[in-house]
Amino acid sequence: SQQGEEDPQALSIQEGENATMNCSYKTSINNLQWYRQNSGRGLVHLILIRSNEREKHSGRLRVTLDTSKKSSSLLITASRAADTASYFCANDTGGGNKLTFGTGTQLKVEL
Amino acid sequence: NAGVTQTPKFQVLKTGQSMTLQCAQDMNHNSMYWYRQDPGMGLRLIYYSASEGTTDKGEVPNGYNVSRLNKREFSLRLESAAPSQTSVYFCASSDVFQGNEKLFFGSGTQLSVL
Repeated sequence: SQQGEEDPQALSIQEGENATMNCSYKTSINNLQWYRQNSGRGLVHLILIRSNEREKHSGRLRVTLDTSKKSSSLLITASRAADTASYFCANDTGGGNKLTFGTGTQLKVEL
Repeated sequence: NAGVTQTPKFQVLKTGQSMTLQCAQDMNHNSMYWYRQDPGMGLRLIYYSASEGTTDKGEVPNGYNVSRLNKREFSLRLESAAPSQTSVYFCASSDVFQGNEKLFFGSGTQLSVL
């Protein structure tokens, strides 16, 4: 069963706008990670937030984590056409870094 | 700077045929993983190897076997391919023991079973 569900499934915005993607999960986690996948390529790690952290920044990325609601959000500010990709959340529930991935959000940034 | 290398990139099999997907990493990582990606399902863990000499089942191990040949290489074998195994397969590695939990992925193998 999928541990993470992402919302929305697809998102289309204009270049320069912000994009927000949400992820919900079911059980307690050690950490939550976000990955990007360009079409036909492997996944690339973006950012990791630990269960005792509430917010983390990396460049134009901002991730929040609410363990009481079992949810996380990824904000991409000032989006660019190159941000067009699928974004996945993944979490480690039992250690050993066996990540469980969500179903992904397909982001399209139009010029 | 190869990272994680998977071969082959594409493969077409007939039902019942066998094949091995190869994966190698050059980052000296201890842990390696095999995932499959199906439309609308995200990635699902098939098998993983926490360290050289150990392997363990993930969420969807049926129909697959793995071998951790050495620290660099982790192969996935389909003994008797079925149409349900049509998918994109990704190998990944990480170095949890060094406090680095992020996964590094290969570029994937697109497998079709007819």
